[in-house]
Amino acid sequence: GENVEQHPSTLSVQEGDSAVIKCTYSDSASNYFPWYKQELGKRPQLIIDIRSNVGEKKDQRIAVTLNKTAKHFSLHITETQPEDSAVYFCAASKGGNYQLIWGAGTKLIIKP
Amino acid sequence: EPEVTQTPSHQVTQMGQEVILRCVPISNHLYFYWYRQILGQKVEFLVSFYNNEISEKSEIFDDQFSVERPDGSNFTLKIRSTKLEDSAMYFCASSGGTGGNQPQHFGDGTRLSIL
Repeated sequence: GENVEQHPSTLSVQEGDSAVIKCTYSDSASNYFPWYKQELGKRPQLIIDIRSNVGEKKDQRIAVTLNKTAKHFSLHITETQPEDSAVYFCAASKGGNYQLIWGAGTKLIIKP
Repeated sequence: EPEVTQTPSHQVTQMGQEVILRCVPISNHLYFYWYRQILGQKVEFLVSFYNNEISEKSEIFDDQFSVERPDGSNFTLKIRSTKLEDSAMYFCASSGGTGGNQPQHFGDGTRLSIL
């Protein structure tokens, strides 16, 4: 079955700097890759997603890149702000409303 | 913006008892899911439900678990004979209609504590 690896487990960056979180997946049939942000005690919230027919997608300060050949995808956050502090999860799916297979999460800490 | 709602927010139950976790998915969504997250660990898929039947389930979702859509709005997860290791945050999610990948939207979760 699908396995999603996520690195790093913790990332500490200075406010205003960029943060990059990386994920790899194992099943070449996966074609949908969402990223969720989870604040302490809250629900996971979708922040961006990418489908396998696209290499990159951007939404303001957030971007996601996908390399299907290497089976990895990354989340990029630019100009980080204190409110970006949270745990970020990547996930992979075969699409069509299939189950999401989750990475282990990255705790992002934004230092003032 | 419509949201998935879950009740209760926290459930404390004695080991061996049965619990029912309730969810109201977003009204025009067709796919419903349960996930769980043990404290400090990754989110794990339990089951998905479409057209009044289970469409996918994980190894975790054994005979101890069942799901039901008793009416047009609620989606429930029943856990029988609860065990200590069932303690976790349980998230309900829903997604829209057919035709490509539809984002899954999550509720706030039910924290289940088994004593």
